[in-house]
Amino acid sequence: EDKVVQSPLSLVVHEGDTVTLNCSYEVTNFRSLLWYKQEKKAPTFLFMLTSSGIEKKSGRLSSILDKKELFSILNITATQTGDSAIYLCAVGYGGATNKLIFGTGTLLAVQP
Amino acid sequence: GAVVSQHPSWVICKSGTSVKIECRSLDFQATTMFWYRQFPKQSLMLMATSNEGSKATYEQGVEKDKFLINHASLTLSTLTVTSAHPEDSSFYICSARFRFSYEQYFGPGTRLTVT
Repeated sequence: EDKVVQSPLSLVVHEGDTVTLNCSYEVTNFRSLLWYKQEKKAPTFLFMLTSSGIEKKSGRLSSILDKKELFSILNITATQTGDSAIYLCAVGYGGATNKLIFGTGTLLAVQP
Repeated sequence: GAVVSQHPSWVICKSGTSVKIECRSLDFQATTMFWYRQFPKQSLMLMATSNEGSKATYEQGVEKDKFLINHASLTLSTLTVTSAHPEDSSFYICSARFRFSYEQYFGPGTRLTVT
């Protein structure tokens, strides 16, 4: 059965800390791995990774994929209270439909 | 770019009635739209995949006669929850993608409460 597992389930840090969120997967016909940030409503897109070892970076956020070990990490440096959210990892699979299977998410709380 | 809207953002209905939720891609043509539901403190669960001009494909365990999906154009998909019951209360989110793209762009979601 295909699955995407995220860890930790929740995390509390202080502003300025650096956090690393983990996502491991077992999905047949892997196509891509995506990270989303979900605050009060629907997820907003952060990164899409398709190749191993190539870091994607956007401001204080960065992510990398290891297709051999079947995992990805999302790093957030110098965290701010605005980073508080649920971070979702999703794996795209299959043929033309490119469906996504989501992990359970990591709840990040950044305290001032 | 890549903006997806949903309407309504929240709805309360009585048990036994039907509710229609619209999902629109505002600035791109979405060949495929997806419908998810999310229960509190749980992740998104894919309900169905909708391709323009063809019948939706439902995930295992999702009743196609209860959750009617219509993808009438490249910018609009609708989900109708028929004969809604309290257990259908949930957060329904749609997403849309370009042809041959893996990225999905999500709408803001619709909170459905069935009393």
